Amino acid sequence: AQSVTQLGSHVSVSEGALVLLRCNYSSSVPPYLFWYVQYPNQGLQLLLKYTTGATLVKGINGFEAEFKKSETSFHLTKPSAHMSDAAEYFCAVSGFSGNTGKLIFGQGTTLQVKP
Amino acid sequence: GAGVSQTPSNKVTEKGKYVELRCDPISGHTALYWYRQSLGQGPEFLIYFQGTGAADDSGLPNDRFFAVRPEGSVSTLKIQRTERGDSAVYLCASSSGTENSPLHFGNGTRLTVT
Repeated sequence: AQSVTQLGSHVSVSEGALVLLRCNYSSSVPPYLFWYVQYPNQGLQLLLKYTTGATLVKGINGFEAEFKKSETSFHLTKPSAHMSDAAEYFCAVSGFSGNTGKLIFGQGTTLQVKP
Repeated sequence: GAGVSQTPSNKVTEKGKYVELRCDPISGHTALYWYRQSLGQGPEFLIYFQGTGAADDSGLPNDRFFAVRPEGSVSTLKIQRTERGDSAVYLCASSSGTENSPLHFGNGTRLTVT
């Protein structure tokens, strides 16, 4: 069985500050891990993903995440927040080889960026 | 179109009625997924098509929910005898179907059952 826990349903940062969104997962098989972003009235957009190989993954818009197996974590970071980063962020896990589109999502974290 | 298209964008129906939600995937994408997103929650998997066949329907909550993809392109999610608890945003996503290929999501259909 697989599950995802996102710590903090709401995170607020000042523009220019570090963004840290936390995600912990549970998986009985080697996980594939994803971060998606959802802007108001828009579809989910893939930010980045980890499948195999390098554990530090870089994505779009300056975001990155590090897969830490020992901590079962996949936290999302960005060094300097921008107003346009305000959105809802979802962490997701998949462990089904050949069907990596069957995702288990966390409950989401709403990121607020204050001027 | 360039992306996944879902129609209608909003649907309001009365309890007990039948509804159909449509998804037009990206041209050439063989894999198609339906997810449901309730208020304040992350999306939940419903069903996965590879081509015309439902390869995995383990997420459908009960037999009131059914989905088809007769020609391997457009898909329709059908809900019979709707209940207020069915109110949610229904998301469709498609991919090229190869391992690790990314999902492309549509904007969703917001279903409200009154």
